[in-house]
Amino acid sequence: KQEVTQIPAALSVPEGENLVLNCSFTDSAIYNLQWFRQDPGKGLTSLLLIQSSQREQTSGRLNASLDKSSGRSTLYIAASQPGDSATYLCAVPNFGNEKLTFGTGTRLTIIP
Amino acid sequence: KAGVTQTPRYLIKTRGQQVTLSCSPISGHRSVSWYQQTPGQGLQFLFEYFSETQRNKGNFPGRFSGRQFSNSRSEMNVSTLELGDSALYLCASSSEGADTQYFGPGTRLTVL
Repeated sequence: KQEVTQIPAALSVPEGENLVLNCSFTDSAIYNLQWFRQDPGKGLTSLLLIQSSQREQTSGRLNASLDKSSGRSTLYIAASQPGDSATYLCAVPNFGNEKLTFGTGTRLTIIP
Repeated sequence: KAGVTQTPRYLIKTRGQQVTLSCSPISGHRSVSWYQQTPGQGLQFLFEYFSETQRNKGNFPGRFSGRQFSNSRSEMNVSTLELGDSALYLCASSSEGADTQYFGPGTRLTVL
């Protein structure tokens, strides 16, 4: 059964810093990985989707990488802003009966 | 294009009652998935519908059921509510063959 872990569970950094969020998965037989952000009490917003054939995907200040062999993905946020404060979740599709398996999330706080 | 909409946004019910939640996908999307989010269990997959047929099902009791209509709108029903059913219920839609899922704002269900 696929297990997805995100460490740390919470992270606080000063505004303007670059930061990296981590996502680990146990079953490397995935065909893509998706990063989402969730604001308190809200739904999920898709940030980036990386296909298994890709190593990186970029959108603005966000860059996501995927290393299937090591079961890891990272989300790099450049020049962080207070508006980046949210919970970030990674998710992988499961070849079993689940559509997506989500990580536990990292709650990010950017300090002005 | 309008995003995924969910109604109602908030619900308060008492134990033993039943509840129906509604989800309207993005126009043209035929796949609708439902997820339950709780602080203790995180995001868990409930079921997925495609063209009015349940295609995948997560590990939830039979009290949780759903259906999809010919216009792709979906409903989920929870019967005999328990306190542990209090959660944020999220609906996501995707187009056929696409990997990216788009989430709605969720319905916050509180069971007293």
